[in-house]
Amino acid sequence: SQQGEEDPQALSIQEGENATMNCSYKTSINNLQWYRQNSGRGLVHLILIRSNEREKHSGRLRVTLDTSKKSSSLLITASRAADTASYFCAPLRGSYIPTFGRGTSLIVHP
Amino acid sequence: GAGVSQSPSNKVTEKGKDVELRCDPISGHTALYWYRQRLGQGLEFLIYFQGNSAPDKSGLPSDRFSAERTGESVSTLTIQRTQQEDSAVYLCASSLGGLGDSGELFFGEGSRLTVL
Repeated sequence: SQQGEEDPQALSIQEGENATMNCSYKTSINNLQWYRQNSGRGLVHLILIRSNEREKHSGRLRVTLDTSKKSSSLLITASRAADTASYFCAPLRGSYIPTFGRGTSLIVHP
Repeated sequence: GAGVSQSPSNKVTEKGKDVELRCDPISGHTALYWYRQRLGQGLEFLIYFQGNSAPDKSGLPSDRFSAERTGESVSTLTIQRTQQEDSAVYLCASSLGGLGDSGELFFGEGSRLTVL
C-alpha cells in the first residue's frame, strides 16, 4: 500500500485564519487526493492533484505537490467554523489500494 | 441511489455474536472497498472488490472477517464471534473504475459497531 502521513495531527485556529496541512509519502505516485471527514461521517473527496501538476485551486482550497520531496500541502484560506473536520491525504499509484493515515484534526473557533 | 448507502448505521452486539454489515454502492461503480476506523485513528483497509475479479482480502485482520459482493452490487461484511477490539466504524467506499484509474472514492456514512 501507499500511505500518506498527515502533519500536524491537530490544528486549532480562529475563524478567518488560514489552515495549512501537510502530507508526506514514500514512493512515486500518479496523483494525490485530499479528503475531509466531519465527525461521525464518511470521507468526502475535496480535490485531486496529478503528479505532473504543482498547484491546484478549488474555491478556498489550494493544494501543492512537490514530487521531488514526496510531499503535498493543503491550504484552507479564510477558514470558517464549518471547516472543522479531519483531513486525510491519499497518494495513489497504479494498482495500489488507497490508504489513509490518521489525518489532521482541524478545529476552527468561531 | 444518489450515494453509497450503509446499514445498519449503528449496531450494538454482545461479544461472541456474529454481525453483518451491508454496503450498497453507487450504481455503475465497479470497485468497492471496506475500511475500518477505530476511534481517533486512520482508516485501516480491509478488502477490495473489482468487478468479477477475485477480491483483495489482504487487509482482513483474521479469519473471523469475511465479505461478499455479487457482481457490481451490494456487499456484505460479516464478522463472526465478535470481540471487543472489533468495535469501530466500518466504512464502505465505491469508485467508478478500478485501482489503475486512480479515481475519486465515494464513501458511505459508515456502520458504527460496538461490541459489549
